[in-house]
Amino acid sequence: AQSVAQPEDQVNVAEGNPLTVKCTYSVSGNPYLFWYVQYPNRGLQFLLKYITGDNLVKGSYGFEAEFNKSQTSFHLKKPSALVSDSALYFCAVRWFSSNDYKLSFGAGTTVTVRA
Amino acid sequence: EAGVAQSPRYKIIEKRQSVAFWCNPISGHATLYWYQQILGQGPKLLIQFQNNGVVDDSQLPKDRFSAERLKGVDSTLKIQPAKLEDSAVYLCASSPRTGNTGELFFGEGSRLTVL
Repeated sequence: AQSVAQPEDQVNVAEGNPLTVKCTYSVSGNPYLFWYVQYPNRGLQFLLKYITGDNLVKGSYGFEAEFNKSQTSFHLKKPSALVSDSALYFCAVRWFSSNDYKLSFGAGTTVTVRA
Repeated sequence: EAGVAQSPRYKIIEKRQSVAFWCNPISGHATLYWYQQILGQGPKLLIQFQNNGVVDDSQLPKDRFSAERLKGVDSTLKIQPAKLEDSAVYLCASSPRTGNTGELFFGEGSRLTVL
């Protein structure tokens, strides 16, 4: 079965420090991987995706993610975190079932950036 | 470009009552999804439409949940009768076409509390 795992429920960092949010995946075939962010009482917003090509993917708001096939990981990173990055982050994988593609999400990681 | 619209934003009902949620996707988006997000969990796909046809409803509890997308635009998700465990945020998302690279556009969600 296709799935993603986010091993950390919470990540706490100080503003200005590097931020990493971990994600591992299990999927047959070539993975399409995504990161979404959710601010309080809001819907999910797309951050970035990996389809093919460079293992380092750049996305919105200064975020990037590194695809590692041997470790089946797709960790989200930001070199210098901001207080405004405090939110809930979801990793997702695209998979094919019932005649179409769909996304399956991890359980989410709450990021808190302290001033 | 207008985003995905959902209503109502919040709803509180007693168990065994019924409730309906409405979604208007981004104009021109053929694929529409309903996800259920229970507190502390990632979004779970309930049903997927392509235009006005159901592509996948394998995770929809059909004894109490129903959804339709008449005319291939707006969609309504209904729960009747509601149970306590249905308390969640119901997220609607749309995408331009089936088989795309996976980016979904989400509404802000409808938060349901069942007492």
